[in-house]
Amino acid sequence: DVKVTQSSRYLVKRTGEKVFLECVQDMDHENMFWYRQDPGLGLRLIYFSYDVKMKEKGDIPEGYSVSREKKERFSLILESASTNQTSMYLCASSFLRAYNEQFFGPGTRLTVL
Amino acid sequence: GQQVMQIPQYQHVQEGEDFTTYCNSSTTLSNIQWYKQRPGGHPVFLIQLVKSGEVKKQKRLTFQFGEAKKNSSLHITATQTTDVGTYFCAGPLRDKLIFGAGTRLAVHP
Repeated sequence: DVKVTQSSRYLVKRTGEKVFLECVQDMDHENMFWYRQDPGLGLRLIYFSYDVKMKEKGDIPEGYSVSREKKERFSLILESASTNQTSMYLCASSFLRAYNEQFFGPGTRLTVL
Repeated sequence: GQQVMQIPQYQHVQEGEDFTTYCNSSTTLSNIQWYKQRPGGHPVFLIQLVKSGEVKKQKRLTFQFGEAKKNSSLHITATQTTDVGTYFCAGPLRDKLIFGAGTRLAVHP
């Protein structure tokens, strides 16, 4: 069974803080993704990575960065959190880039005050 | 903007009624994927359709992929309370998986 884990289920931060969201998968997938989910907007791709040390911008990368130092771990970084980054953050991994199923972590609900 | 459109945004049915959600893409897709997200949960993969005109069934769920590979539908026959959740379609566009906004299904017992 593929397992994708995320470091926190709930997180509360203050405006301007640096925030790290960690994601780990245990199925040796090369492809990892970060999405944010907001009501009525579905899942929007923030960043993705198809290999270690590789990263690509998704559709809404502004205000975020990522790190992929090891194959199993993909981190999302909010350099200076803002209230409009309050959202549900979902990490996913897959075997074949965008062309087959993605396995999602449980999500981190981030609130920025 | 959103390149994979999904309707309706929300549907409320009585238990036992049928339900359908529709997905449309502005471009031809190599495949279409469907996911279900239960309330408080994360999206879980249901199925992938690849061939033009393909129809697949999973118990009471029927998935179709259009002939032009630009649209898809998910139909649930005789809904049950366990069907509650949000159903997303997703298609690969320019090497990224693009999700529809989802259809939230509420089932009244």
